[in-house]
Amino acid sequence: NAGVTQTPKFRILKIGQSMTLQCTQDMNHNYMYWYRQDPGMGLKLIYYSVGAGITDKGEVPNGYNVSRSTTEDFPLRLELAAPSQTSVYFCASTPYSGGGNTEAFFGQGTRLTVV
Amino acid sequence: EDQVTQSPEALRLQEGESSSLNCSYTVSGLRGLFWYRQDPGKGPEFLFTLYSAGEEKEKERLKATLTKKESFLHITAPKPEDSATYLCAVRGGAQKLVFGQGTRLTINP
Repeated sequence: NAGVTQTPKFRILKIGQSMTLQCTQDMNHNYMYWYRQDPGMGLKLIYYSVGAGITDKGEVPNGYNVSRSTTEDFPLRLELAAPSQTSVYFCASTPYSGGGNTEAFFGQGTRLTVV
Repeated sequence: EDQVTQSPEALRLQEGESSSLNCSYTVSGLRGLFWYRQDPGKGPEFLFTLYSAGEEKEKERLKATLTKKESFLHITAPKPEDSATYLCAVRGGAQKLVFGQGTRLTINP
């Protein structure tokens, strides 16, 4: 029972490099989310998706891109990495329900450092 | 715009000393208010979902309540293992899941 899987767990990037953070869920959840968490802070929403082919911006989308070609996968792309993108990134998913009050399941996070 | 504000930012208690954490929110079409616990270096762990004003949920030493504008997480006779960051989140009509900045709780033995 894998749940939400994020790869890699750790990564060091040089300024200006690009990378893709992978997120896969095996629970057939419709909704998926990407967050960043800076030290001592809460989670800031970067992008989210309500289903395959549909994505929307969250609170802090600048410097990031996403795609959702399948229900299972929701990769986050960083173009031209900057030191301000040093953070821990979490992916989450929730199922669809009529009431909408279902909890999100989280991956274990990707710790990214840009130097 | 959906917003969540948690207070206090940090709280230090003695073992057995009960207290409450606050979560104030504004959201268009509340679809759920969630409480999570997060330990250092780990992802958030689900605690409760509340949907309508007046609703209450309990789990061991924790009790969550909801009004139309805020939620409280009451901690009764806490133990050192309750030390963690507690996160509040709301899900509105647009299906965004928005978090507050969290409350760092420390329970001293």
